Formats: sequence, C-alpha cells, structure tokens
Amino acid sequence: DAGVIQSPRHEVTEMGQEVTLRCKPISGHDYLFWYRQTMMRGLELLIYFNNNVPIDDSGMPEDRFSAKMPNASFSTLKIQPSEPRDSAVYFCASSLRAGTSYEQYFGPGTRLTVT
Amino acid sequence: GEDVEQSLFLSVREGDSSVINCTYTDSSSTYLYWYKQEPGAGLQLLTYIFSNMDMKQDQRLTVLLNKKDKHLSLRIADTQTGDSAIYFCAESNGIYNQGGKLIFGQGTELSVKP
Repeated sequence: DAGVIQSPRHEVTEMGQEVTLRCKPISGHDYLFWYRQTMMRGLELLIYFNNNVPIDDSGMPEDRFSAKMPNASFSTLKIQPSEPRDSAVYFCASSLRAGTSYEQYFGPGTRLTVT
Repeated sequence: GEDVEQSLFLSVREGDSSVINCTYTDSSSTYLYWYKQEPGAGLQLLTYIFSNMDMKQDQRLTVLLNKKDKHLSLRIADTQTGDSAIYFCAESNGIYNQGGKLIFGQGTELSVKP
C-alpha cells in the first residue's frame, strides 16, 4: 500500500485566501484524523471521522476551519479565510481497529505558510 | 482529563543507550504507543504495548510499562545518529471506544552526538 497520501506537500498563500488540504487514507481503514503541528502548541487533533462520519470536531480552532469526508478514500480540510496564525504542518492519519488496538498511520504532512 | 507528559530533550553519545520516559494519567489506557518523527516527515509508528504487558522487545527497542506508576519508557540500545528524531508517546482507550483517538505527549527530541 502507498500509505496515507496528502496533497499538496507545501502551500504558500496570502492572508484571506481559501486553502484546501487533501488526504487519501490507507485503503480499508475506517478512521481518519486531521492534526496540526506547530512549535508553540505541538501536535493538536483537529477532527476525526469514523466510516466517513465526523465523530469529534472539538479541536477545530474556529469556524474558518471545516473538514469533509465524502467517501472512504478522500477527505479535505478547508480554511477560509486563512490567517498567518494558521501557518503549521497539517497531518492526516488513518487507522483500522484491530481488536482494541488503534495504530494510526500518518501521511507526510502539508506545510502551510500564510503570509 | 487524559494527559501524557514527556521531557522535551535528551542528548546521548553514539553507541550509548537512550531512555525516553513518558507518564500518563488515564488508568484505563489499553494500548500505549511510541512514534518517531524525523525532520520534515510525518509520525512513524515504532512499537506499541498492551496494558497487560510490562515489557516488549523489538530488535534495539525495549518498551517498559509500569502500570501502577503509569510510566512508560522506550530504550534504544546502541543509539545511532540516524536515531536522532522526536519521539512521541501516545495512549488510547480501546475498551471505552474513544473511536481510536490517541492522546499524544509533547514529544522528546533525541540528539545523538558522534
């Protein structure tokens, strides 16, 4: 398997623009997670889905952030409008419940810079 | 609430053993994980241990779990410069079905000096 795929790998945009990050989870995995990583706040869970349904979005910072999972093989994280403080590395991860274990597999991340 | 704590930095010499420590608060944790993050990359699952075990060994990696003290450690034998990375501890509560959510520590940056 190719692993979790994220695109783009790097995104530079101006404040106020809409940004869309994309993720393809590992085939057969039924959980998908979006994380944000910064030096100041470390790794933060933004939202996660089970079988394409959002389960917990309490980590989404504000209404400017939205995430969708229209099918089992694709998810998007959208920021509209973007702000400089959104600059971070955004990771997508997927997992499959095996017994009671939930190993998560991470994508390579999207480095977002908002100027 | 759930919390996972790690020290932020560790520096060792090449060839020495490294021990990275982690404490957690959730007594109902069922699995505990170690992830490695190299510069510019995502987190890579290294190993995990079920809560009814106290030790797991995988080549140069040894995981020790003290469930009474809620303390987890990762020992890397014969540490190499390629082991330089950030190591994250994480815990999950599979039984109560938090939906696969993992609680991560802040990460320990391991620096290996030649």
